Parts: sequence; C-alpha cells; structure tokens
Amino acid sequence: RKEVEQDPGPFNVPEGATVAFNCTYSNSASQSFFWYRQDCRKEPKLLMSVYSSGNEDGRFTAQLNRASQYISLLIRDSKLSDSATYLCVARRTGNQFYFGTGTSLTVIP
Amino acid sequence: GAGVSQSPSNKVTEKGKDVELRCDPISGHTALYWYRQSLGQGLEFLIYFQGNSAPDKSGLPSDRFSAERTGGSVSTLTIQRTQQEDSAVYLCASSLVGDSNQPQHFGDGTRLSIL
Repeated sequence: RKEVEQDPGPFNVPEGATVAFNCTYSNSASQSFFWYRQDCRKEPKLLMSVYSSGNEDGRFTAQLNRASQYISLLIRDSKLSDSATYLCVARRTGNQFYFGTGTSLTVIP
Repeated sequence: GAGVSQSPSNKVTEKGKDVELRCDPISGHTALYWYRQSLGQGLEFLIYFQGNSAPDKSGLPSDRFSAERTGGSVSTLTIQRTQQEDSAVYLCASSLVGDSNQPQHFGDGTRLSIL
C-alpha cells in the first residue's frame, strides 16, 4: 500500500466552481502535511501547510483528519490559473517526506 | 533569492555515457533529497542525506546510480552507463530539520535525455 494516496483525476471544472481533493495517508506516525502545486514541466511548489485545526489561505482551505488519516484541499472560485497538479505530502519523523502521485485539475473557461 | 539550485538545467547524452547532476541546497538546510520524475508520472524518491548520517539510498533503482554530498552542502547524483529509461527530470529538494512543520523546497530540476 502506498504511503500517500490521491485520486489522480483528472478534475475538469468551470471557472468559478468549487473543487475538493482528498488524500489519505497510511502511517499514523506522519507528523505534518502539505499541499504542493506542480505546473506542467515545472518543479513542485509549496501551496500550503495543513494544520490540525484546518487553515485557510485566500481561496484555498486545507483540513486534516488524523482519526481517519485523510487530508483535504478545497479551492473556491476556481481560476484558470489554478490548473495544475496538486500533490499531497506527509512528513514523518526522521525527515522523510511521502508524496502522493498528484491530482490533475483543469479549470475550463 | 537563495533557493535550491540545480545544474545543468538540461542534459542530452548518448546511451552508455556517464552523467553527473549537481544540487546546491538552501543554506542551512541539512536535509537533501533527490527525486526522479518521468513524464506524466509522480515523484520517485531516490536518496536522502541528513547531516553526517549515512544516506538513505533505498530509492536508488540500480547500482548505476550513486550520490554524494560533500561538506554537508552540495550534492552530486551520478548515473553511470546511462540507459534510455533513465530519461526523466531529476529534482533535488532540501529542508530544515528539527522542526517537523518545515516543508521541502525544490530546485528547478535537471531534464535528462538519453539518446
């Protein structure tokens, strides 16, 4: 079983839509979590950290459910520029990071 | 800004040649990671360095792959006797340790093409 699993999509949504991605992690020892964004042929870039109490950054909301071992990312009022692959990441003690394979989002005009 | 720096950006070489890829992490980041990403695929972990500890080499796909990190800073990933299946983007990342809330920061990657 993979350490971090995501629905690969693709998600195709119209501009202005709200879209949610979920991610599950298998190791309860995972300590911290992140969402990264990766544009085509570019490196992954940190979108936001995920805190236990949930956190929001503009149109983006991240939530963590430790009991169910899943992380979510909600994007409101989708923009064309949000089109990318979104990677879910779990960090364990020992500084090892585990990446999901990514969820592809295309926002359609 | 002093982000993670990788070189070369692109490398085209013939099958059977050796290649060396370089990564210069963010200053003060003692953890350094190498990943490989084939077109349309996810990140494949290769190797991880943490300070002076023995590296975690569990992701290296074959003995043709090796990596060093000299002086706890710059790292080089070497691929010997390259094969066409080695063609991919090789990404380096670094992170702080001691604070589990710190993320990884990636370089722009080296796009390797084996002819």
